Amino acid sequence: DVVMTQSPDSLTVSLGERATINCKSSRTLLYSSNNKNYLAWFQQKPGQPPKLLLSWASTRESGVPERFSGSGSGTDFTLTISSLQADDVAVYYCQQYFRTPYTFGQGSKLEIK
Amino acid sequence: QVQLVQSGTEVKKPGASVRVSCKASGYTFTGYHMHWVRQAPGQGLEWMGWINPNTGGTNQAQKFQGRVTLTRDTSINTAYMDLGRLTSDDTAVYYCASGPDFFDYWGQGTLVTVSS
Repeated sequence: DVVMTQSPDSLTVSLGERATINCKSSRTLLYSSNNKNYLAWFQQKPGQPPKLLLSWASTRESGVPERFSGSGSGTDFTLTISSLQADDVAVYYCQQYFRTPYTFGQGSKLEIK
Repeated sequence: QVQLVQSGTEVKKPGASVRVSCKASGYTFTGYHMHWVRQAPGQGLEWMGWINPNTGGTNQAQKFQGRVTLTRDTSINTAYMDLGRLTSDDTAVYYCASGPDFFDYWGQGTLVTVSS
């Protein structure tokens, strides 16, 4: 199975500051035939299902604020929140859908300082 | 608008089976795979498998093979997840998810509690 490892497990950031979460895959998620990275980022708030923020490592879903961005390729990826808002408090997960079983990172809990 | 509406809370005894349903609306049900993901209390997300609603073909995580059955009824745009031989480790919220980017749409979740 592809192992997804996120860092840090938790982070505390001040409002308006940048938050960065890293995700490392045990195998490349870059499919050479289409040059796409099969990596998604989700946000989950308590009592709610996960919400897809970005797919293909960097494609923002409709309605997702521009302060959320994704970068990286192959095995190393990053989710960046450029200017933290109070509503961004949540647990963030990366997930690979390159090969089954699709696997998630362990989650990174984001709090406000 | 797109909706995935799941069945309600279940309480089961060890060794029993459970069926969770997921009714889709607002998009073409047969257009995208339906995935099942679970989340134990206070834990992370675990992908269980998918069903292709168009063909009925399935793919399950090896961990669940032999214990999970994924089916669908295209006449009512509903997918089902049956999980057998339940143990306390199966206590979790079970989600269905689908969409063009695999996991765009999510159900509200179904809590399954396994307890004697």
